[in-house]
Amino acid sequence: DSGVTQTPKHLITATGQRVTLRCSPRSGDLSVYWYQQSLDQGLQFLIHYYNGEERAKGNILERFSAQQFPDLHSELNLSSLELGDSALYFCASSPSTTDMNTEAFFGQGTRLTVV
Amino acid sequence: SQQGEEDPQALSIQEGENATMNCSYKTSINNLQWYRQNSGRGLVHLILIRSNEREKHSGRLRVTLDTSKKSSSLLITASRAADTASYFCATPQEGRDTGRRALTFGSGTRLQVQP
Repeated sequence: DSGVTQTPKHLITATGQRVTLRCSPRSGDLSVYWYQQSLDQGLQFLIHYYNGEERAKGNILERFSAQQFPDLHSELNLSSLELGDSALYFCASSPSTTDMNTEAFFGQGTRLTVV
Repeated sequence: SQQGEEDPQALSIQEGENATMNCSYKTSINNLQWYRQNSGRGLVHLILIRSNEREKHSGRLRVTLDTSKKSSSLLITASRAADTASYFCATPQEGRDTGRRALTFGSGTRLQVQP
């Protein structure tokens, strides 16, 4: 158990809909990272938050947004969903602020299926 | 695009044999990390090697880093069926907008250990 909790584990929704994925980081970790894993794109970095502030952006679509709350949990919002958004979405946490010089701890992921 | 590229993409060996996976990256790094992923589950950190280290060991794992060649290798000795998984290298890379670093993953090596 990594200590990172993601909910829900599975999500099936229709095209055009909006969903929210939730992540609770390990106790004491201020950094939260979101990743998308699909068969054709591999593991893609989406966004990084540190103590409530956005720190780095990766290949995140404009239809996607995220935030980190004062209690450090984070939510990833996906809107106007398309079939191609079907993927595993991972959250990871780490005590590191920048430069990623420590390991990251991953949750078990949310499997999103858009039909 | 992926920063790290693992080679081979897939590897099948017998129990007891050694497994070697290679990773190449493009830009300068301060550390390189290896992760393992069982099918459809979260990634688990295996080992972190810093740019001033050439070799690191952890149990049956041996990691080397050659910064002049921008490459790393992961050796699993005396492999077991339970080692069957995908293995990824990851390096801190600058994010799209802020220039701050986030962990960027390669495409992975799928290891199958036959009992």
